[in-house]
Amino acid sequence: ETGVTQTPRHLVMGMTNKKSLKCEQHLGHNAMYWYKQSAKKPLELMFVYNFKEQTENNSVPSRFSPECPNSSHLFLHLHTLQPEDSALYLCASSPQDGTGETQYFGPGTRLLVL
Amino acid sequence: GDSVTQMEGPVTLSEEAFLTINCTYTATGYPSLFWYVQYPGEGLQLLLKATKADDKGSNKGFEATYRKETTSFHLEKGSVQVSDSAVYFCALSVQGAQKLVFGQGTRLTINP
Repeated sequence: ETGVTQTPRHLVMGMTNKKSLKCEQHLGHNAMYWYKQSAKKPLELMFVYNFKEQTENNSVPSRFSPECPNSSHLFLHLHTLQPEDSALYLCASSPQDGTGETQYFGPGTRLLVL
Repeated sequence: GDSVTQMEGPVTLSEEAFLTINCTYTATGYPSLFWYVQYPGEGLQLLLKATKADDKGSNKGFEATYRKETTSFHLEKGSVQVSDSAVYFCALSVQGAQKLVFGQGTRLTINP
């Protein structure tokens, strides 16, 4: 595997379910990100992790809970979501080693909350 | 605050036409500028970038020049193909900050 991978690619869940999204980067990067892409809205940054430490939470509701066990893996735990949380969730990573801040994205998980 | 404004879509062109997608920005520092492309059903792919004034980013026949005097980073391609149909996002990142600020995206459709 190369680049940034995300699983699952598609997810349908009820409002009472608990599920997790997984992201893995194979680029040796030190920073990872979660974004939300909703229809007709700009991409929204949700969380930023640097060297496994969360450095930004962009006022995200607590029903979204991120976890970063190491620099290569990032999870987004979901519970008691609302229909308006249906969106494409994108993971990204960047070097954060002084060589630049270009972010590389995964293919996304398309989430539908019923 | 920092912001990016793109021309509104959708944009529809015929194959081999010339493409321009306008992008202007507002930033408090000295940003790096990016164009990302999103093909149907996929995530964002970095298309090109420029990190300082007058730099030209280029890739796959696309070009964009960092114009500090007009705070612009317009995307151009001389001859588009059907396979270029996608949504294009202009974005900036201010030096020292990890936050990418995106424009709203421009949907491009190329007809054969």
